[in-house]
Amino acid sequence: DTAVSQTPKYLVTQMGNDKSIKCEQNLGHDTMYWYKQDSKKFLKIMFSYNNKELIINETVPNRFSPKSPDKAHLNLHINSLELGDSAVYFCASSQDPKFGNTGELFFGEGSRLTVL
Amino acid sequence: RKEVEQDPGPFNVPEGATVAFNCTYSNSASQSFFWYRQDCRKEPKLLMSVYSSGNEDGRFTAQLNRASQYISLLIRDSKLSDSATYLCVVTPGKMNYGGATNKLIFGTGTLLAVQP
Repeated sequence: DTAVSQTPKYLVTQMGNDKSIKCEQNLGHDTMYWYKQDSKKFLKIMFSYNNKELIINETVPNRFSPKSPDKAHLNLHINSLELGDSAVYFCASSQDPKFGNTGELFFGEGSRLTVL
Repeated sequence: RKEVEQDPGPFNVPEGATVAFNCTYSNSASQSFFWYRQDCRKEPKLLMSVYSSGNEDGRFTAQLNRASQYISLLIRDSKLSDSATYLCVVTPGKMNYGGATNKLIFGTGTLLAVQP
């Protein structure tokens, strides 16, 4: 029973296309994140939502639009894909500090996006 | 200067060896510190939190030096299964409910390869 699941696991697409990645967590966490891991393995936060509210937006191009329909779901839509968007996109969730948050992020398995 | 810096390695060590990884962080306001582990083509997972007094979990010992803004991880009696990338992680401030400081900032990781 996967705690954080994201789909699809692999995406291969052409430059200029639009694509979406979906994420769901069944841990009851309030906070969800999108992280991007590039070819140099650098893992960098893109967005964070807390109870459907955007709280972190790390200077990501407008082509990236997250959406959280409820606190268990966080989707990522990417318009006009560019070569530099090729990366692994990780969804994650965390418990809130008021519940004794240890700072542990629970990651999904990642969605590997290749833009040709 | 990167927010979190690590020696990328690789560290190639024989089974049974003791190996130490170091990490420095640039933000003196950072409050929470962690080591994550990432296996090849997998998602990162929390290995251990790092406390000011230092802490140990089995063969793993983490140390924090706030004055030098330096974190370390020591692995004793290395096993083949310890082969992975070890990510040093900090928060930009104190973690709080729904706060922007809850984001985790990852180092680029140190690759460990334990040889038989």
